[in-house]
Amino acid sequence: DTAVSQTPKYLVTQMGNDKSIKCEQNLGHDTMYWYKQDSKKFLKIMFSYNNKELIINETVPNRFSPKSPDKAHLNLHINSLELGDSAVYFCASSQDLLSGQGLGETQYFGPGTRLLVL
Amino acid sequence: RKEVEQDPGPFNVPEGATVAFNCTYSNSASQSFFWYRQDCRKEPKLLMSVYSSGNEDGRFTAQLNRASQYISLLIRDSKLSDSATYLCVVNAINDYKLSFGAGTTVTVRA
Repeated sequence: DTAVSQTPKYLVTQMGNDKSIKCEQNLGHDTMYWYKQDSKKFLKIMFSYNNKELIINETVPNRFSPKSPDKAHLNLHINSLELGDSAVYFCASSQDLLSGQGLGETQYFGPGTRLLVL
Repeated sequence: RKEVEQDPGPFNVPEGATVAFNCTYSNSASQSFFWYRQDCRKEPKLLMSVYSSGNEDGRFTAQLNRASQYISLLIRDSKLSDSATYLCVVNAINDYKLSFGAGTTVTVRA
């Protein structure tokens, strides 16, 4: 009965490779997110989708491409991996977009994908 | 300047002690405030929202000071299970994203 799940949990790969991370939520939420947490522990938003529509696209290299086939899934594809991409990537979901009315602020995070680029 | 700044700690406290720490935010348009908790090698989870008048949830008390743009978290009667990193989280008006601090690490020892 996992709420937000991600696969894989660990990913070790060589520079230059292409890899994907998958995320699924079974909470019936409309909004999903990808975050990157680097070695300094900062959680930085990368993308958010609301009902399959891209809402946030922060300053992220275009080697990173999110894809939302339906509102329960948000996948992240990374081309030409670089050393600096090594981090923990968290998927999250919330009931709705942040609205100031308490609907989007509670975000439920997946367990994270630990990516190591060698 | 970072949007949300926290003292990284660590705060090492004995069981039963009280520990408190602050977080400052730079955007005066911030309207929603939260504390999330992240255990080692785990995902963040919402601990509590922070309301204007301050609020308590069991042993945890959160305060907001809009004039000085900081929020605080106080943990009373610390338990070993309170050992974690506490993330200060802020949302501004008309902003679709949350801004996270880098976290304050608390270690409670027996």
